[in-house]
Amino acid sequence: DTEVTQTPKHLVMGMTNKKSLKCEQHMGHRAMYWYKQKAKKPPELMFVYSYEKLSINESVPSRFSPECPNSSLLNLHLHALQPEDSALYLCASSQDTSGGTKNIQYFGAGTRLSVL
Amino acid sequence: AQSVTQPDIHITVSEGASLELRCNYSYGATPYLFWYVQSPGQGLQLLLKYFSGDTLVQGIKGFEAEFKRSQSSFNLRKPSVHWSDAAEYFCAALSGGGADGLTFGKGTHLIIQP
Repeated sequence: DTEVTQTPKHLVMGMTNKKSLKCEQHMGHRAMYWYKQKAKKPPELMFVYSYEKLSINESVPSRFSPECPNSSLLNLHLHALQPEDSALYLCASSQDTSGGTKNIQYFGAGTRLSVL
Repeated sequence: AQSVTQPDIHITVSEGASLELRCNYSYGATPYLFWYVQSPGQGLQLLLKYFSGDTLVQGIKGFEAEFKRSQSSFNLRKPSVHWSDAAEYFCAALSGGGADGLTFGKGTHLIIQP
């Protein structure tokens, strides 16, 4: 089973709202990732968590706040977003980040976010 | 800088014909290489991967890819495409250290003609 589950599938929010995206995996993976994908573009890395600790933040604006409460769950808290933040947000997980086959990343179906 | 290049933005292939999607990488050392497929509005599904060893790797859905170090390439092939193969295909790379996220090419949009 290589399933990564993301909720909700779709989200519409205003620029003053606070919302959260959720990602869950039960593969025992210890690395989890957030990617942002704009229309007709490749995914771009936002954050990497390794063993529940933030290891990479790709200079993402503070209106995006990641959280990894346990090894199976990854959240992305959203606040005061801009219309240009509308995108598909993808979560991925891998066994860990130590290299080789342990780095194979499995993706969820994504959350389609629209900011009005 | 590390990069992955997919030179073809769109490719149109007739159903039943063979397919080759190109991918080149630019890394200091040979990275780990992947091909992912994305159907409209969906997440990414891993087709196949190369880490080391045999340069011809087999994946799911009848796809294969060949790693050529001399050409810094990792091209994806399928001998006979089906209409359901229409999708966006991404080549991706990961440095040997493994602590980073994936670097993706810009993608190739595959169109299947009946």
